[in-house]
Amino acid sequence: DTGVSQDPRHKITKRGQNVTFRCDPISEHNRLYWYRQTLGQGPEFLTYFQNEAQLEKSRLLSDRFSAERPKGSFSTLEIQRTEQGDSAMYLCASVMALYNEQFFGPGTRLTVL
Amino acid sequence: DQQVKQNSPSLSVQEGRISILNCDYTNSMFDYFLWYKKYPAEGPTFLISISSIKDKNEDGRFTVFLNKSAKHLSLHIVPSQPGDSAVYFCAASVGGNNRLAFGKGNQVVVIP
Repeated sequence: DTGVSQDPRHKITKRGQNVTFRCDPISEHNRLYWYRQTLGQGPEFLTYFQNEAQLEKSRLLSDRFSAERPKGSFSTLEIQRTEQGDSAMYLCASVMALYNEQFFGPGTRLTVL
Repeated sequence: DQQVKQNSPSLSVQEGRISILNCDYTNSMFDYFLWYKKYPAEGPTFLISISSIKDKNEDGRFTVFLNKSAKHLSLHIVPSQPGDSAVYFCAASVGGNNRLAFGKGNQVVVIP
């Protein structure tokens, strides 16, 4: 399977714990995006990388959130001191340079108790 | 602020008939528009797109129309099939290959 993959698919955690999600993009795609989707809403942009450089962060991304893409391949999204309001689907997407259509992974469903 | 708006959150249509989904946007800088389909427990799947230099793009059963003066686009699915039952998201970007702004989605149910 050469699509975008995300791990884990589901994560249940207690408030105050740290969680980390991983995204593996399509191999030749140089841009990688993170989005968050809550119930009844469309995905909302969080941040994106071009190769290993993080080029933009949404104001939605509080200082408890950090994302990395150390070698320009996979990316991680960490949430520290989780809150119940962090419960959402976290989606990763990738796209090849000069193309416009982003390809999404299956998402990581986070539930904060 | 919701820059991409999808009203009429749900639509039911008979198999074989046309499904029409509408989308409005407020940001005049948007120049690339996409439609995604989403099944439960899966990520969005790219369906069709259109650049602002065009007013129509067609791909098989799917056609997207863009009216820039009205800041409005629509997706036509004809004929509708039961496998089309899903949530459809309208998305827009500035400059292409950039972050997407999504609408809230339309639930489509195709009745066999």
